[in-house]
Amino acid sequence: DQQVKQNSPSLSVQEGRISILNCDYTNSMFDYFLWYKKYPAEGPTFLISISSIKDKNEDGRFTVFLNKSAKHLSLHIVPSQPGDSAVYFCAASANGNTDKLIFGTGTRLQVFP
Amino acid sequence: DGGITQSPKYLFRKEGQNVTLSCEQNLNHDAMYWYRQDPGQGLRLIYYSQIVNDFQKGDIAEGYSVSREKKESFPLTVTSAQKNPTAFYLCASTAGPVAQHFGDGTRLSIL
Repeated sequence: DQQVKQNSPSLSVQEGRISILNCDYTNSMFDYFLWYKKYPAEGPTFLISISSIKDKNEDGRFTVFLNKSAKHLSLHIVPSQPGDSAVYFCAASANGNTDKLIFGTGTRLQVFP
Repeated sequence: DGGITQSPKYLFRKEGQNVTLSCEQNLNHDAMYWYRQDPGQGLRLIYYSQIVNDFQKGDIAEGYSVSREKKESFPLTVTSAQKNPTAFYLCASTAGPVAQHFGDGTRLSIL
C-alpha cells in the first residue's frame, strides 16, 4: 500500500523553463512534507519542506505547494538548471513524528540545454 | 566538516553470511535511521534509534539487527535470515523534528 505516490518516474525539461514535480498521498494524518534530491551513488539531500498549516513554501528557485483537500503537493523549480538533474523524492510524516518518514518512489528530472 | 559516514561504499556477501554496515555521524544528532532502497522504489525504514541503547523496528526489520552503544555510531547487520539483501542501504540522522541528513550509502550485493 503506497501511501506516498510519485506517478511520474521521469521528467525532461529544457534549461531555463519550469520543472514541476508532483506527489500524491493517501493518509490524511500526514502533516509534514519534505522534498529530497538525490544524485547517483549519493545519499538524498534535503531540499525544502512544508507543514500542513501552510499551502506554499518558497526557498530561492524552489517552491512547494500543498493542496490538502486534493492530498497533493508539488515542487516547482524555476528556472531549471542542468545541475538540477537528479532524482527527487517526496516524503511525508504524520502527527509530527519525523522519525517515520514515508517516501515516494522518486521522479528522475533531466534538465537539458 | 560535520556529516554522516557510511562504509564501505560497496560490499559483497556470500550466501549464508552475516555482514555489518557501518554508520558514523559527528553531527551530535540524537536520532539515527537505516533505510533500504530498491530499484524503482522509495526508501523504506529498517530500524531507527532515538537515543543510545534504544532502537525500534521500522517497516522492514526482518532479517536485520542493529545496536546503538554510542551516540555517534549505528551499525546495521544484515543477517543470513534476510532473503533478499541486495540493495542500496542508507543511514540518516536528525537532531529533532527537522529533515533527516543522509550518508552516501552502501551498496550490498550477493556473490
